[in-house]
Amino acid sequence: GEDVEQSLFLSVREGDSSVINCTYTDSSSTYLYWYKQEPGAGLQLLTYIFSNMDMKQDQRLTVLLNKKDKHLSLRIADTQTGDSAIYFCAEIRGPRGSTLGRLYFGRGTQLTVWP
Amino acid sequence: DADVTQTPRNRITKTGKRIMLECSQTKGHDRMYWYRQDPGLGLRLIYYSFDVKDINKGEISDGYSVSRQAQAKFSLSLESAIPNQTALYFCATSDLGQGTGGYTFGSGTRLTVV
Repeated sequence: GEDVEQSLFLSVREGDSSVINCTYTDSSSTYLYWYKQEPGAGLQLLTYIFSNMDMKQDQRLTVLLNKKDKHLSLRIADTQTGDSAIYFCAEIRGPRGSTLGRLYFGRGTQLTVWP
Repeated sequence: DADVTQTPRNRITKTGKRIMLECSQTKGHDRMYWYRQDPGLGLRLIYYSFDVKDINKGEISDGYSVSRQAQAKFSLSLESAIPNQTALYFCATSDLGQGTGGYTFGSGTRLTVV
């Protein structure tokens, strides 16, 4: 099937903004997610956005959703070295109106923050 | 205690050996999943289970089997381990329909097959 696409690497300087982009596949996805994986750890849910929203802000995080282009982005303001991690985009895909859907993940974007 | 616990955290095994990775959860979720993670390839789904009586193959089930012993327990077996099964393995759980909770992941099992 089609893949959820993300660039593999992003490097930014501490204090700058980071923008991680994702292209998903299913226009009927009800929720879209961003997960963070720190070194040696599992994935943790960072934030999500419901499909009827264009934007969601949560402290330093801003999620933008463009349903027409099936494009999702995660902006991290004032990026810190502790933000260095792998960030995964995920969409729900499954039969419309059913509960049989499951998450499909992108390959992850390795964010490196330089001091 | 963690919501999703995986054991062991690390394991080195020899080619041809049978190995079981275990996952238990306290979330009360019906749905459980096994993924493997390889550098640059992201997460690939091995098997998933929507309830105790339901087992489904994922994208890369060959060489693996699973058992859902109870709502809270989902184990992954490698019947005869081979070196290209060296990877980081994650168990995850979710509620019905995922919703705002998404998936909850364990901390992973790093498996090395020599």
